[in-house]
Amino acid sequence: QQQVKQSPQSLIVQKGGISIINCAYENTAFDYFPWYQQFPGKGPALLIAIRPDVSEKKEGRFTISFNKSAKQFSLHIMDSQPGDSATYFCAASSSSASKIIFGSGTRLSIRP
Amino acid sequence: DGGITQSPKYLFRKEGQNVTLSCEQNLNHDAMYWYRQDPGQGLRLIYYSQIVNDFQKGDIAEGYSVSREKKESFPLTVTSAQKNPTAFYLCASSRSTGWGEKLFFGSGTQLSVL
Repeated sequence: QQQVKQSPQSLIVQKGGISIINCAYENTAFDYFPWYQQFPGKGPALLIAIRPDVSEKKEGRFTISFNKSAKQFSLHIMDSQPGDSATYFCAASSSSASKIIFGSGTRLSIRP
Repeated sequence: DGGITQSPKYLFRKEGQNVTLSCEQNLNHDAMYWYRQDPGQGLRLIYYSQIVNDFQKGDIAEGYSVSREKKESFPLTVTSAQKNPTAFYLCASSRSTGWGEKLFFGSGTQLSVL
């Protein structure tokens, strides 16, 4: 019940296309859903995050869509660029817990 | 520059040897964490510390040990009891372990077995 399931494991998108990464969770106590971006040889960095009281959050080309009833959330990258090539991790945490649960990661490659 | 410094970047362990990974932060954060990253398995929590002189086991603590004697330092020892230590190790910190806190990560240490 503590898992966050992420798909796909890898994704190839043409430059200018839309990249979509999906995550699902079971624990209804989760109330904070961040996405982290990791470049090769580096540590992850927070990209964008959402709370369950909103269905969508947009920051530039990055959008999180949240479906509370389905217990799913997704990251959309519009107008994908080669510089977006990285590994993306979804995550979840609850206000009653002291730790964040990470998904298994998606390696995104943007083809020029 | 504020941030998290991990060293060394690459580390090799001989069988039966204990090795220690260093993590230092100058962000004045109370909470610090160690994660293990394996291909296709995401980030798994080894240990975390909410305050100096206190730490808790994460999901995969067996074969690892930590200490938190100073606020800015949280070293991880990979003991000989860890039979499969080859992985990318990430240290992180946050202001606290409270809701919605942003994690700041170091650049990682790649540990390999000789």
